[in-house]
Amino acid sequence: SQQGEEDPQALSIQEGENATMNCSYKTSINNLQWYRQNSGRGLVHLILIRSNEREKHSGRLRVTLDTSKKSSSLLITASRAADTASYFCATDTGFQKLVFGTGTRLLVSP
Amino acid sequence: NAGVTQTPKFQVLKTGQSMTLQCAQDMNHEYMSWYRQDPGMGLRLIHYSVGAGITDQGEVPNGYNVSRSTTEDFPLRLLSAAPSQTSVYFCASRPHLGPIGYEQYFGPGTRLTVT
Repeated sequence: SQQGEEDPQALSIQEGENATMNCSYKTSINNLQWYRQNSGRGLVHLILIRSNEREKHSGRLRVTLDTSKKSSSLLITASRAADTASYFCATDTGFQKLVFGTGTRLLVSP
Repeated sequence: NAGVTQTPKFQVLKTGQSMTLQCAQDMNHEYMSWYRQDPGMGLRLIHYSVGAGITDQGEVPNGYNVSRSTTEDFPLRLLSAAPSQTSVYFCASRPHLGPIGYEQYFGPGTRLTVT
């Protein structure tokens, strides 16, 4: 079964707008990671946030983590058409497995 | 570095045939894993390895075998292909284990169709 569940399943926005996607998980984690997948390609790592961190930034990406609610959010600011992709959260519980959610499909229109 | 490479990119099999999906990495990563990706299901872990000679099952191991004789290579074998194994298969690796956590590097995937 999936550890992480992303919300929404699909998101459609205009260039320049912000995109927010959420991830909820079920068990305690060591860290949570976000990945991007362009159509037909492998996944690319975006950002890793550890369980003792609450917020992390990388360029136009901002990730938050609330371990009390077992949830995380990924914010992409000033979206571009090139941000069109599927985004996955993945939880690392420390048992040697990285478990992925079902993903959010983001469409950024020019 | 080439990173994580997978061959073939595409494969069509008939039910009952066997084949091996190849995966190699040149980053000296200890941990390697295989996932399958099906529409609406995200990625599901098939098998993983924490080092040469050590493998373990993931979430959906049935119908698949793995071995890890070297640090670089982690092949996935389909013993008797079934239509339910039609999927996109991704191999991934990461530096090593521990509570700190490391990002995973993914290969480009193998698209397998079983008829």
